Amino acid sequence: EPEVTQTPSHQVTQMGQEVILRCVPISNHLYFYWYRQILGQKVEFLVSFYNNEISEKSEIFDDQFSVERPDGSNFTLKIRSTKLEDSAMYFCASKTSGVTDTQYFGPGTRLTVL
Amino acid sequence: EDQVTQSPEALRLQEGESSSLNCSYTVSGLRGLFWYRQDPGKGPEFLFTLYSAGEEKEKERLKATLTKKESFLHITAPKPEDSATYLCAVIRGTSYDKVIFGPGTSLSVIP
Repeated sequence: EPEVTQTPSHQVTQMGQEVILRCVPISNHLYFYWYRQILGQKVEFLVSFYNNEISEKSEIFDDQFSVERPDGSNFTLKIRSTKLEDSAMYFCASKTSGVTDTQYFGPGTRLTVL
Repeated sequence: EDQVTQSPEALRLQEGESSSLNCSYTVSGLRGLFWYRQDPGKGPEFLFTLYSAGEEKEKERLKATLTKKESFLHITAPKPEDSATYLCAVIRGTSYDKVIFGPGTSLSVIP
């Protein structure tokens, strides 16, 4: 069964450093998302991406964040200058088309900012 | 403001003891409601999507129902492997794709 994959599973970085989290969505999916979950809290929407542009973003997704689909299979989230409060699980999700609403999630990347 | 609440926060059941989890939502123009299962340290695993009041979906020991204000996830004769956090989430009709999650119900099924 096709799955969303994410790398790395755990990333440790120093405050102020840039990180890139990588995702490979399910192959025939066209809509891509990033969510985050701070330990013990709700899953929160960050951004949605379709047709090579951002379609919606939350107030969390400020200028420190950016997304890219650099090729036909990868989808990345970049955090330019990490802060302690960026420590969280980051989940990538994807869905097939605009007809369905169901999003399928990857296993997540745990980001620890020291 | 759109809001999703879930109760109880945690639920402990004996194996075989059926129960229900509740999801209440306040959202303008609900387009869909989702149930996901999340194991510790893992991503949400899709269970159901519901669109209309009165709709029901079933999968193994789980059944999800939807009304105009809330949704229930019924667990019939649960097994220890059903232990997980169950997340309810909604999407608005005016949103492209922003899914709003509830805090989850942590279910423990004791053998």
